[in-house]
Amino acid sequence: DAGVIQSPRHEVTEMGQEVTLRCKPISGHDYLFWYRQTMMRGLELLIYFNNNVPIDDSGMPEDRFSAKMPNASFSTLKIQPSEPRDSAVYFCASHLDPAAGELFFGEGSRLTVL
Amino acid sequence: AQKVTQAQTEISVVEKEDVTLDCVYETRDTTYYLFWYKQPPSGELVFLIRRNSFDEQNEISGRYSWNFQKSTSSFNFTITASQVVDSAVYFCALTEFRDDKIIFGKGTRLHILP
Repeated sequence: DAGVIQSPRHEVTEMGQEVTLRCKPISGHDYLFWYRQTMMRGLELLIYFNNNVPIDDSGMPEDRFSAKMPNASFSTLKIQPSEPRDSAVYFCASHLDPAAGELFFGEGSRLTVL
Repeated sequence: AQKVTQAQTEISVVEKEDVTLDCVYETRDTTYYLFWYKQPPSGELVFLIRRNSFDEQNEISGRYSWNFQKSTSSFNFTITASQVVDSAVYFCALTEFRDDKIIFGKGTRLHILP
């Protein structure tokens, strides 16, 4: 399997623009997680899905952030409008069963908002 | 609510020294799982180990060892005879049986000096 695939790998945008990050989980994995990594906060869980349904979005920082999973093979994380403080690395991860073992991460999307 | 604390933000040791990374967790569940991940300078997240709450045996894998103590809610990670390639950010994580989300600590940045 190709692993978790994220795009874009790097995104530079200006404040106020809409940003869409994409993720393709590993085929067969029922769980999908979005994390944000910053120096100050470390690795924060933003939202996770089970069988395409959002289960816990309590980590989403504010209404500017939204996430969808229209099918088992695709998820998006959207920021509208973006702000400089959103600059971070965003990771997508997937798993068959979070308790059973490894959570598989994508390579991350590095977002810079100017 | 579940919580993971890695009090050591940054550690520097000279090569060949032993180093221990601390992880303290909080959970109300009696069944839970603990993890360690490594993030080398290249940025990807590498799974190291998973431990369930019913297995308190210490684990050793080459130069790596883990000490799980339920009495102190700790899951510490020791690198013996450290090497420069061990330089990375190390994350401890927790998931509860009744809640599928995986929560990470803020990470410890480890520098191994030649």
